[in-house]
Amino acid sequence: GAVVSQHPSWVICKSGTSVKIECRSLDFQATTMFWYRQFPKQSLMLMATSNEGSKATYEQGVEKDKFLINHASLTLSTLTVTSAHPEDSSFYICSASVPSGRGRNTGELFFGEGSRLTVL
Amino acid sequence: QKEVEQNSGPLSVPEGAIASLNCTYSDRGSQSFFWYRQYSGKSPELIMFIYSNGDKEDGRFTAQLNKASQYVSLLIRDSQPSDSATYLCAPQQGDMRFGAGTRLTVKP
Repeated sequence: GAVVSQHPSWVICKSGTSVKIECRSLDFQATTMFWYRQFPKQSLMLMATSNEGSKATYEQGVEKDKFLINHASLTLSTLTVTSAHPEDSSFYICSASVPSGRGRNTGELFFGEGSRLTVL
Repeated sequence: QKEVEQNSGPLSVPEGAIASLNCTYSDRGSQSFFWYRQYSGKSPELIMFIYSNGDKEDGRFTAQLNKASQYVSLLIRDSQPSDSATYLCAPQQGDMRFGAGTRLTVKP
């Protein structure tokens, strides 16, 4: 199957600092990647859809100026949590869907390992 | 309106039993579905894909799709403690949002 790699796996930062999380598709080109956030014992919440070469589409209630998404290449999307606060502490997961070869994604999502952010 | 509805559980079964996880959907246009498994603290992973009516078996896992009744289910035979996880169903051409899934606990 396709491989999506996420880095870092764990990050601890001080309140007010910014943290960047990288998501890479290792063996396929991902025109679209998805960013999720998951709090303990809660469901995956879609934050935004990241489109290569264009602006991300954010879900309602997600602050685009706080969660900066850049998808500058077909294999890399980054999520930057700016001015992080303790309430931003969460498990952030990226995913990508593999193109079917006909211009449509298969719909199957391959997930990165996730990044656990702790803001002190 | 959510694309799919699942009983969030928790569902608890003894080791060796059959675990039955169910998912109903509202869009009759949905033709195929994925089942993902998410262990606590980990990312989801795909375990089954079903696109035609009836059953699809893969080892101890059987996915069932009933388009007339608009439900899809996942059966886990001979459940093991290692099957304890949250199971998520999602339509193939969905909006990439997930519900709470069903949390399964298999007790030794």
